[in-house]
Amino acid sequence: EPEVTQTPSHQVTQMGQEVILRCVPISNHLYFYWYRQILGQKVEFLVSFYNNEISEKSEIFDDQFSVERPDGSNFTLKIRSTKLEDSAMYFCASLTGVGNTIYFGEGSWLTVV
Amino acid sequence: AQTVTQSQPEMSVQEAETVTLSCTYDTSESDYYLFWYKQPPSRQMILVIRQEAYKQQNATENRFSVNFQKAAKSFSLKISDSQLGDAAMYFCACASNDYKLSFGAGTTVTVRA
Repeated sequence: EPEVTQTPSHQVTQMGQEVILRCVPISNHLYFYWYRQILGQKVEFLVSFYNNEISEKSEIFDDQFSVERPDGSNFTLKIRSTKLEDSAMYFCASLTGVGNTIYFGEGSWLTVV
Repeated sequence: AQTVTQSQPEMSVQEAETVTLSCTYDTSESDYYLFWYKQPPSRQMILVIRQEAYKQQNATENRFSVNFQKAAKSFSLKISDSQLGDAAMYFCACASNDYKLSFGAGTTVTVRA
C-alpha cells in the first residue's frame, strides 16, 4: 500500500517561531494538498498544489503560510511566525489525478506555546 | 464549494450489530465525489469508502456500504457486523473535480463489547 509520509509527527514550538512541516507524497502523484484539524474540530482545507504552483488556497492560508516543492519529492508547509491558534494537526494529502483516490499522511501535530 | 452536514455527534453500537451514520451535503457541481474517512485515536485519516456521483450503484467495501440518495443529497454509511476496531471518528466529505475536500463535523462511533 503506497504511503504519504510526514515529518515531524509532533512538534512543539514557541509563539513567533518559524515551522516547516514536511511531506513526501506518493511518487507518481501530481496533486498535493495541506489540510488542518484543530483539536475537536473538522478537517479544513488549506491549500492545493499542482504543476509546481498553488492552484487554490483557503482564507486560512494567509501570508504567514507558504508551500513549496523544493526538490521534486518533498512538499513543505512553512508557517513563518506561529501563533497559538496555529496549534493543530496538519495533514498532507496527494493523488495521481482526477478520479483517483486521495491518500493522507499520518499528520504532523503542531503545538504552539 | 461544498458543504457537508453530519447531524449525529456520537453513535454507539453493540459489537456484531449494525450502525448507520448519516450525512447530507450540498454542492452546485454536477460532477463530484463523496467519501467516508475513519479517524482512530492515532488521528490518521483512513479512507473507508468512496462514491462517484455519476454512479447510481451504492459503493460497498467489505462490511462498509453506503446509501447514496442523489436527489436528496444524502450519503449515509452503514457499518455491518461492527467490530471493536471500528471505534473511531468518522468524517463524511465531498469534493468536486478539483479534489478539494469539504468535511463534515464528524461522528464518534463507540463499539460496546
